[in-house]
Amino acid sequence: GENVEQHPSTLSVQEGDSAVIKCTYSDSASNYFPWYKQELGKGPQLIIDIRSNVGEKKDQRIAVTLNKTAKHFSLHITETQPEDSAVYFCAASMPTGGYNKLIFGAGTRLAVHP
Amino acid sequence: EADIYQTPRYLVIGTGKKITLECSQTMGHDKMYWYQQDPGMELHLIHYSYGVNSTEKGDLSSESTVSRIRTEHFPLTLESARPSHTSQYLCASSGQGASYEQYFGPGTRLTVT
Repeated sequence: GENVEQHPSTLSVQEGDSAVIKCTYSDSASNYFPWYKQELGKGPQLIIDIRSNVGEKKDQRIAVTLNKTAKHFSLHITETQPEDSAVYFCAASMPTGGYNKLIFGAGTRLAVHP
Repeated sequence: EADIYQTPRYLVIGTGKKITLECSQTMGHDKMYWYQQDPGMELHLIHYSYGVNSTEKGDLSSESTVSRIRTEHFPLTLESARPSHTSQYLCASSGQGASYEQYFGPGTRLTVT
């Protein structure tokens, strides 16, 4: 069935370094790939997304790249700050019987140390 | 910022009690979802709705039930709570047609003793 694998499960970086989180998906029909940030005690917040007709998208310090041939996509955070510490989820969307289902990765716990 | 609300935020309740977790959104979204988030962080879809009077079970089997009588409201009910129901419950919604973006509420942390 549909599956999204996310790596690494934990990531620790020094403030100012870059962080990269990678995901692979199984269904070639997937055409929408969002990333969510979940802070402690809060619900996931959509931070950036990319559609299958685009290879890269950037928003200030965060960027997402998509390789449809290899079926993988990545989140890049540059100049990390302590407030970037959170759990990050990737997801792949695929149309299923009239509604748009999101399959989530297992999450990456990012810790940014001052 | 998404306008989706969940109440209560935290609930501690004894075994056998009936509970209802509330979820409402003011964005006019037709699709709504309930996810269960385990301590290992993974999100599991337990219910979804296309619109009023439409409800479907998700990927993870759940003893909970849902209803969708109004567009903005998607409550989740457990008839008899058990310790195995202890979890974080997240509600989400998405907009019309091909809109994929799902917006999440803050979650309800349920503990059944």
